[in-house]
Amino acid sequence: QVQLQESGPGLVKTSGTLSLTCVVSGGSISSSHWWSWVRQPPGKGLEWIGEIYHNGGTNYNPSLMSRVTVSVDKSKNQFSLKLTSVTAADTAVYYCARGSMLRGFDSWGQGTLVTVSS
Amino acid sequence: DVQLTQSPSFLSASIGDRVTITCRASQGISRYLAWYQQKSGKAPKLLIYAASTLQSGVPSRFSGSGSGTEFTLTISSLQPEDFATYYCQQLNSYPRTFGQGTKVEIK
Repeated sequence: QVQLQESGPGLVKTSGTLSLTCVVSGGSISSSHWWSWVRQPPGKGLEWIGEIYHNGGTNYNPSLMSRVTVSVDKSKNQFSLKLTSVTAADTAVYYCARGSMLRGFDSWGQGTLVTVSS
Repeated sequence: DVQLTQSPSFLSASIGDRVTITCRASQGISRYLAWYQQKSGKAPKLLIYAASTLQSGVPSRFSGSGSGTEFTLTISSLQPEDFATYYCQQLNSYPRTFGQGTKVEIK
């Protein structure tokens, strides 16, 4: 059973860069899945950020595209998120997830809270 | 972007009740729709994919139906562990989008 685990700083300064990593265990990141980042501001709903395939192909949410980069490291079986020029509006729980068009997002990390503050 | 509108946004129900949540898409998404359950402080859990296919391990009291622009999630007999927030998600086009959520609480 695949498991995902997010890691990264819980506090990022305003105008700085948010960087998170998701380690995949119990399965290969080179499987036929897309690997996504989803966030949830406190008390609010879910927002899809972007995704990557093991060959490096990416798709991003246009609302964040200018500030987001998702990358993959197959040797470490992990993928990462970078979000630049952050503001308080980027404060959220960030989840990584495994997904496909047909089967939805079937595995999720437990989430990590990132607070943006000066 | 495909907008997903869930109704109701809040639902108060009793143990044993039959509960139905609707998700309407702003444009046709075929059957590329998933349903998730999220409990407080936890990650979402996949319940249904491809509009009506039950994810492995999910109790059979959960069911999904619909295609195109209108979808429903039904809980046939509400159990104490079902009190949570439910989200629909479309996977037909980018960006992937979620409904605003339906919170199911105990009456």
